[in-house]
Amino acid sequence: NFMLTQPHSVSESPGKTITISCTRSSGSIATNYVQWYQLRPGSSPTTVIYEDNQRPSGVPDRFSGSIDSSSNSASLTISGLRPEDEADYYCQSYDGTNVFGTGTKVTVL
Amino acid sequence: EVQLVESGGGVVRPGGSLRLSCEASGFTFDDYGMTWVRQAPGKGLEWVSGINWNGGDTAYADSVKGRFTISRDNGKNSLYLQMSSLRAEDTALYYCARGKRPGHSGSLDYWGQGTLVTVSS
Repeated sequence: NFMLTQPHSVSESPGKTITISCTRSSGSIATNYVQWYQLRPGSSPTTVIYEDNQRPSGVPDRFSGSIDSSSNSASLTISGLRPEDEADYYCQSYDGTNVFGTGTKVTVL
Repeated sequence: EVQLVESGGGVVRPGGSLRLSCEASGFTFDDYGMTWVRQAPGKGLEWVSGINWNGGDTAYADSVKGRFTISRDNGKNSLYLQMSSLRAEDTALYYCARGKRPGHSGSLDYWGQGTLVTVSS
């Protein structure tokens, strides 16, 4: 099976833009959809991006997703960073079975 | 409103067994695949097991294969995880999650609040 590697942490000031990468270790990132989940302390995960770049209803358009076959990675971009965006973010994909990324802690300074 | 409510967690000794349940409501249960995901203390999310819409296709993480069994009862709108030969490393918050599609893998769109399993002597 494959692994999804994310940066351990990302920090930025309110109003700025951050991008979290998710690199697939083997197989093409484009083969199966990538999802992104937000996990705040004390809460259940929620989906912020599904099927590479689709936003569920209720998720602000400050959240966007993309994939890059040249780097075999997916990215989650959060623009206009807000304090409530502070959370752990996980990418997820599949290839017969589901695989979660290593997780990224986002801190809003 | 989609709701997933897990139950069955608790404290169990190493080598013991436990059965988790997830009661679903607010949607047509047998239209969707279902998944168990866990988060150990201080660790990330780990996919545990998935089952397709009719229970005919299942999948397991290598870490639980042969010890855990996923099942569902569509008549009761319920998902289960039978856990045996439990180890300390199985200690985690276990989430039940709905897949967006009928298969056992793919995007997950709704999650329960989780049930805590602690394996300790």
